[in-house]
Amino acid sequence: GAVVSQHPSWVICKSGTSVKIECRSLDFQATTMFWYRQFPKQSLMLMATSNEGSKATYEQGVEKDKFLINHASLTLSTLTVTSAHPEDSSFYICSARRGNEQYFGPGTRLTVT
Amino acid sequence: QQQVKQSPQSLIVQKGGIPIINCAYENTAFDYFPWYQQFPGKGPALLIAIRPDVSEKKEGRFTISFNKSAKQFSLHIMDSQPGDSATYFCAASSGGYQKVTFGTGTKLQVIP
Repeated sequence: GAVVSQHPSWVICKSGTSVKIECRSLDFQATTMFWYRQFPKQSLMLMATSNEGSKATYEQGVEKDKFLINHASLTLSTLTVTSAHPEDSSFYICSARRGNEQYFGPGTRLTVT
Repeated sequence: QQQVKQSPQSLIVQKGGIPIINCAYENTAFDYFPWYQQFPGKGPALLIAIRPDVSEKKEGRFTISFNKSAKQFSLHIMDSQPGDSATYFCAASSGGYQKVTFGTGTKLQVIP
């Protein structure tokens, strides 16, 4: 149990377009999900905490108008990268909280050309 | 301070060896310390976790040692195998397991 999926696993988009990434908890309900960003050979940096039915809480330095988060149900959170630029290219990872544990998705590789 | 310092950055051991990865923290409010294993192109997977009320926890070949007074904890991998080659992250959180602060990661390579 405790499986978290992400879709798509990788995406290439042109500069200026928007991209939506989905995070789903497949076999449990998650009132809290988290979005991370990871650059090559670096650690995970928390971008925001997504709570079902309420606004996301963004970490300092993360532009909430650029990284839109919607947690519309207990099994789905979405991250939309708006007006993407090449510097937004990264590995985006979500996680879902179940009890005292946090389960991670497989990640989404975003490349902005 | 929310930092979690991790060392070494990289580690090479021979099969059967016991790699040790160390982490240190400053925030005494941290009360949950998980370790994650990440393979290239994949998300992290929870390996083992410990709370500060115990000094050691063992699960299979993985052992966490915890020193509350020194604010340090470490991961030992017994009888390491080439399949253990991955990046390992220590982490810490507080207050009912909300935000997790990750260490900088250790890339482990186990050579046959």
